[in-house]
Amino acid sequence: DQQVKQNSPSLSVQEGRISILNCDYTNSMFDYFLWYKKYPAEGPTFLISISSIKDKNEDGRFTVFLNKSAKHLSLHIVPSQPGDSAVYFCAASAIGAGNNRKLIWGLGTSLAVNP
Amino acid sequence: GAGVSQSPSNKVTEKGKDVELRCDPISGHTALYWYRQSLGQGLEFLIYFQGNSAPDKSGLPSDRFSAERTGGSVSTLTIQRTQQEDSAVYLCASSLGRGASRWETQYFGPGTRLLVL
Repeated sequence: DQQVKQNSPSLSVQEGRISILNCDYTNSMFDYFLWYKKYPAEGPTFLISISSIKDKNEDGRFTVFLNKSAKHLSLHIVPSQPGDSAVYFCAASAIGAGNNRKLIWGLGTSLAVNP
Repeated sequence: GAGVSQSPSNKVTEKGKDVELRCDPISGHTALYWYRQSLGQGLEFLIYFQGNSAPDKSGLPSDRFSAERTGGSVSTLTIQRTQQEDSAVYLCASSLGRGASRWETQYFGPGTRLLVL
């Protein structure tokens, strides 16, 4: 049962255009959402996050939008650059058993930004 | 910089052998996580250490998997009697460990690529 779903395994955009990566979730207990970026042969690196009390968080070229009623979040990258080409993971967090926090990950979307 | 390091970076082993994977977290981080990423899959949580508390082992897929954290720092993930389905990238992450009441960023190591023949 995939609680965090990234339905597009890949996305290709032109340099300078907007990249929109989507993520859907099923667990209404998630209260924090994150995007991580992963280059080949490297571990994921944190990109941007949003708390469930907000609907938008912006950091430079990256903006994350959260629609709680639709259980949907998206990552916008504008303008897209070739160096943004990577796999983007959506993750959601909730306090679980034992009062521990866990991250539940999507399968990732591979973004290719073409020069 | 002193990020999360993992060793070995690659490991090829024969089915049935035991393997040990090592993680050195960022100094001062009390929380440490192990994840596994199989081909075409997302990150699968394995185990979580927080300070001196009992680890959360709920993600370990079988009793062939175990992990320990010595002195609150270095962690070793051990897989006994490896199977071909254990082939994956094993990722370690650490965070400050200030408690579950708020989210804190996890910093990942580069991973260990395990191939079981």
